[in-house]
Amino acid sequence: IALTQSPDSLSLSPGERATLSCRASQSVGRNYIAWYQQKPGQVPRLLIYAASKRATGIPDRFRGSGSGPDFSLTISRLEPEDFAVYYCQQYDGSLFSFGPGTKVNVK
Amino acid sequence: EVQLVQSGAEVKKPGESLKISCKTSGYSFSSYWIGWVRQVPGKGLEWIGIVYPGDSETRYSPSFQGHVTISADKSINTAYLQWSSLKASDTAMYYCARHLMSAGGSDYFYGLDVWGQGTTVTVSS
Repeated sequence: IALTQSPDSLSLSPGERATLSCRASQSVGRNYIAWYQQKPGQVPRLLIYAASKRATGIPDRFRGSGSGPDFSLTISRLEPEDFAVYYCQQYDGSLFSFGPGTKVNVK
Repeated sequence: EVQLVQSGAEVKKPGESLKISCKTSGYSFSSYWIGWVRQVPGKGLEWIGIVYPGDSETRYSPSFQGHVTISADKSINTAYLQWSSLKASDTAMYYCARHLMSAGGSDYFYGLDVWGQGTTVTVSS
């Protein structure tokens, strides 16, 4: 299953809302979608799994949603530390793949 | 505390072999899938493959199948990624990551929850 993410990049100000999209080439079974955040020079961090469940320690301003082939990650109010690249990942029950990422920039 | 500690940076020539490691601690190594992710400088994440240390089952992305080998040694709680013949295009950062998924692989998937610090591999003549 191939994943596309949109937009490629997003320029927003702290306090604004960010909505990131992840679209699969076919329906993702059991909503096996995860989202990761990666800051420059850092290791990726798990944010969301099963499309909408927050990983341990992830603040509630991060919200995942979606089903079928269409998923989204919403950051309700951007904090300075949220400016990063975000990747979605799918699992088809056998293999995994990542989307190309969305970069959230400071406006 | 769950930790994944990877081996150090490597500089190799094309055609050489290489094996990098990911030593784990703080959890039952045999009971969790563990895998590898590639990141070419300035690019995105690419999933390479996984191994289940309990029975050594492996799964590979078609993009990497046949070019790399993933293995695990239960006696020392360590996973490996190896190449028999490196190419310049293998130059990248490689991360190991614990995959939270059922032993059989299909009953649940809770993400890649713990990552190693990364190993830089540079292949240049």
